[in-house]
Amino acid sequence: EAAVTQSPRNKVAVTGGKVTLSCNQTNNHNNMYWYRQDTGHGLRLIHYSYGAGSTEKGDIPDGYKASRPSQENFSLILELATPSQTSVYFCASGDWGESAETLYFGSGTRLTVL
Amino acid sequence: GDSVTQKQGQVTLSEDDFLFINCTYSTTTYPTLFWYVQYPGQGPQLLLKVTTANNKGISRGFEATYDKGTTSFHLQKASVQESDSAVYFCALVDLSNTDKVVFGTGTRLQVSP
Repeated sequence: EAAVTQSPRNKVAVTGGKVTLSCNQTNNHNNMYWYRQDTGHGLRLIHYSYGAGSTEKGDIPDGYKASRPSQENFSLILELATPSQTSVYFCASGDWGESAETLYFGSGTRLTVL
Repeated sequence: GDSVTQKQGQVTLSEDDFLFINCTYSTTTYPTLFWYVQYPGQGPQLLLKVTTANNKGISRGFEATYDKGTTSFHLQKASVQESDSAVYFCALVDLSNTDKVVFGTGTRLQVSP
């Protein structure tokens, strides 16, 4: 069973503070993704990665950085958090070869920026 | 860029009703299309997938047909149950371009007993 683990599950941050959301996958997938979910907007792609050392901008990258130090770990970094970044964030992993042609999602991190 | 449109924000049905959720997409090539389902407190999970090689996907009584002519990928189920209450997302990936997976805005299904 594919496993994607996100931490923390809940986070409260102050405006202007730095926030790091972490994601770990044990599936040995090359690709990893960060999405945010907001009512009326669905899932929007922030950053993604093709493998260790790689990060690519998604559709809404402004205000976010990403880091992929290893195959297993993919972090999302908010250097200067703002209230507009209050959301639920999902990490996912997946490969598009013959073996695993879907995304596996974590359970999400609920971030509140005050 | 690639996009997916779900116009129905919410669908309310009774058990044994027929379900139809509309999804249309826009892309320059022939993508792989997905329906994901999300239950409360969980991340989305794959419901079914369709590629250019096979035009229809079927899973757990749900089915979706890939129509290249109308660029649609509607989700249907003949008889819904209360346990089908969830949020349903249409999504696509165009592997000829990037590995970006683009999602629609989601349709919340509420089924009453």
